[in-house]
Amino acid sequence: DVKVTQSSRYLVKRTGEKVFLECVQDMDHENMFWYRQDPGLGLRLIYFSYDVKMKEKGDIPEGYSVSREKKERFSLILESASTNQTSMYLCASSKLGERTEAFFGQGTRLTVV
Amino acid sequence: AQSVTQLGSHVSVSEGALVLLRCNYSSSVPPYLFWYVQYPNQGLQLLLKYTSAATLVKGINGFEAEFKKSETSFHLTKPSAHMSDAAEYFCAVSQKTSYDKVIFGPGTSLSVIP
Repeated sequence: DVKVTQSSRYLVKRTGEKVFLECVQDMDHENMFWYRQDPGLGLRLIYFSYDVKMKEKGDIPEGYSVSREKKERFSLILESASTNQTSMYLCASSKLGERTEAFFGQGTRLTVV
Repeated sequence: AQSVTQLGSHVSVSEGALVLLRCNYSSSVPPYLFWYVQYPNQGLQLLLKYTSAATLVKGINGFEAEFKKSETSFHLTKPSAHMSDAAEYFCAVSQKTSYDKVIFGPGTSLSVIP
């Protein structure tokens, strides 16, 4: 069974903390994505990576950075967490090519207090 | 720029009734379209996808969607709703630009009434 695994289901962090969200896929996919999901706004792309050490900004990259040192792992970093970053974060991966679907992890619900 | 709209943020149907979830897209080139489902506290799962092979696409769990270019629509249907269909449904469009960008609609929450 194909899998995208996010390291935490729930996280509570304090304002100003540096936060790491980890994502691992076992499908040898080239593309990996980080989205945030908020009610009424759907999924918004934060960052995307199409290869190791390669990254592209999505629609809402401010306040976030990413790291992809290995093909199977894609990390999202909140440099200094703020309350407006409280959200559901979803990691996804896909094979190269626009016809291929994305596979999603279970999501991490992050609360910043 | 591409975009996806889903009419109705919340839809309620009776068990056994027809399910119709609406999706319209805007795209300057032929799109690749997807429907995903999200059950409570889970990630998204692919229901079906349109990649220009056939306009009527069948997916899992009895769902299907029809691509209508003239209406720029890709509505999702199921003849008879089941309680287990209660979930959030997302329409998405993909286009090859500098990378494989996928844009999601805002989602429609489906409730099934016994």
